[in-house]
Amino acid sequence: QKEVEQNSGPLSVPEGAIASLNCTYSDRGSQSFFWYRQYSGKSPELIMFIYSNGDKEDGRFTAQLNKASQYVSLLIRDSQPSDSATYLCAVNIMDSSYKLIFGSGTRLLVRP
Amino acid sequence: EPEVTQTPSHQVTQMGQEVILRCVPISNHLYFYWYRQILGQKVEFLVSFYNNEISEKSEIFDDQFSVERPDGSNFTLKIRSTKLEDSAMYFCASSDFMLRTDESTDTQYFGPGTRLTVL
Repeated sequence: QKEVEQNSGPLSVPEGAIASLNCTYSDRGSQSFFWYRQYSGKSPELIMFIYSNGDKEDGRFTAQLNKASQYVSLLIRDSQPSDSATYLCAVNIMDSSYKLIFGSGTRLLVRP
Repeated sequence: EPEVTQTPSHQVTQMGQEVILRCVPISNHLYFYWYRQILGQKVEFLVSFYNNEISEKSEIFDDQFSVERPDGSNFTLKIRSTKLEDSAMYFCASSDFMLRTDESTDTQYFGPGTRLTVL
């Protein structure tokens, strides 16, 4: 069973702080890794994707991938109250259908 | 910016009735997906569709479910005889994945979802 694990939270940080969200996955054959943001009652919205080991930065967001440890993280710098949402880690198994396997999400609360 | 659209946004139906959920994927995309999310639970894969056929389906996607691409733009999910446990958000997604020649080609973009309520 291919699994993606996340701490459900909530992770509470003050405005302006760095929020660190973590994710582990079980399938070593996983190739592509995605972070989606989901507001309550809404659909997943792509934040970032990463394929290679190391860091990838996009504005206030940095994704980190360590394939040896099967670990993906998302850092949000200068957190804003509008960042309060559930962050979903998703892994593309790259089998016949390239379906995404999602974690259960980490709820982030940014306190003003 | 191109986006995936879905209709209706909310569908209420009686148990045992048939429902059709509609999606218009991003126009140059080739891979299409349906996912569902029961309230408070994970987003779960249902089915993937490529080249006018199903490429993979999950255990959830039993004989009550079917998908179709009736024309060049729409992608539909049909549930023949709805059950109470089919109540969920249903998300359509699409990607332009082919051979991964650059980093952006297997990203899936999600539509706004259809909230299905079975009474």
